[in-house]
Amino acid sequence: NAGVTQTPKFQVLKTGQSMTLQCAQDMNHNSMYWYRQDPGMGLRLIYYSASEGTTDKGEVPNGYNVSRLNKREFSLRLESAAPSQTSVYFCASSAVGSRSSYNEQFFGPGTRLTVL
Amino acid sequence: QKEVEQDPGPLSVPEGAIVSLNCTYSNSAFQYFMWYRQYSRKGPELLMYTYSSGNKEDGRFTAQVDKSSKYISLFIRDSQPSDSATYLCAMRNTNAGKSTFGDGTTLTVKP
Repeated sequence: NAGVTQTPKFQVLKTGQSMTLQCAQDMNHNSMYWYRQDPGMGLRLIYYSASEGTTDKGEVPNGYNVSRLNKREFSLRLESAAPSQTSVYFCASSAVGSRSSYNEQFFGPGTRLTVL
Repeated sequence: QKEVEQDPGPLSVPEGAIVSLNCTYSNSAFQYFMWYRQYSRKGPELLMYTYSSGNKEDGRFTAQVDKSSKYISLFIRDSQPSDSATYLCAMRNTNAGKSTFGDGTTLTVKP
């Protein structure tokens, strides 16, 4: 199993450009998450999807949109990139509702995005 | 004020030292407490998990939760250079809810 995969690994954008970050998991998890991580600021939740067909805003949703394409895939779109969106983006998934007793989140390797 | 505050670090210790990493929180509804370890340029991975108050031990790692003081700790005994990483505390209300993360403490264990 590959776990959680993210593409691309690195990306440089100019202000105003758009792009979509892709995330896929092969663990049959119900819930998926998008976080951003900035130096000294830990992980901040952008959007999450509790189950296929549902999405909800997290702590910092402005400037982002998401799509839960199917149970495996959860994409994050920047419509008009801004320098403030320079960050490392992590996708995660968890098996909420299964027999898992602690809802462990499994993280992907991250996408390092720079907006000039 | 943030819901979860973590000792900022960075922390540098000699090999073999006992390390204490700490978080405080303000939301008394938190019941599930986790510690994640994140190596440089990697995603976080779950290290320890505790439900409600008490201690949990796993090898050289001990997680401690004091709900009355809204304080959690992770202790690392006989620290090794391979323990050098950023440690993130996380917590949530329910088993199905979102987790709130601390900002992380970067630990360096020097040989």
